[in-house]
Amino acid sequence: NAGVMQNPRHLVRRRGQEARLRCSPMKGHSHVYWYRQLPEEGLKFMVYLQKENIIDESGMPKERFSAEFPKEGPSILRIQQVVRGDSAAYFCASSPPLQCGDLFFGEGSRLTVL
Amino acid sequence: GENVEQHPSTLSVQEGDSAVIKCTYSDSASNYFPWYKQELGKRPQLIIDIRSNVGEKKDQRIAVTLNKTAKHFSLHITETQPEDSAVYFCAARLTGGYQKVTFGIGTKLQVIP
Repeated sequence: NAGVMQNPRHLVRRRGQEARLRCSPMKGHSHVYWYRQLPEEGLKFMVYLQKENIIDESGMPKERFSAEFPKEGPSILRIQQVVRGDSAAYFCASSPPLQCGDLFFGEGSRLTVL
Repeated sequence: GENVEQHPSTLSVQEGDSAVIKCTYSDSASNYFPWYKQELGKRPQLIIDIRSNVGEKKDQRIAVTLNKTAKHFSLHITETQPEDSAVYFCAARLTGGYQKVTFGIGTKLQVIP
């Protein structure tokens, strides 16, 4: 059973470009979470999604950031018009339904904005 | 919403000594408390968890304790080894129909050989 797959692992963008980060949850998992981790800092919740539904996006900036988890395919975190402050590691985690919060993390996508 | 505080932020111990990391949470409805270990440049990995109907849980050199009344929980690592060096995150989960997990700020543990 493959784990949570994230790609790309590393992404370099110039200011003003768009970044798209993908996450395929573990097989059988229907819940996806995105967390952002700045260097030397903790894991900040961004958004929680189920298939075709955003359940909680309270941690996501209102502008430039969006997330989706379509019926088919991976979850995507999209950052438009990136700025240097967006440079961070973005971790996706998944959990099975009806479980008490067991999160399984992917290896992360490290975004660098030049 | 839930707020999880964790301390210390950094901790250095001699190899073989014990390490203790403490966390408090704000929402008494939380009922699940996992601990994650993150090695440098790697993903967080679940190492142990405890649920609110249990006061203590042990797995080899790692133990967690939970005090629901005081709303705090702790991670204890005994006989520390250099490979225990990592950042450790505590977390708490709110009950209800949705499974948001709130993390503490993390503790950077350094085990000195």
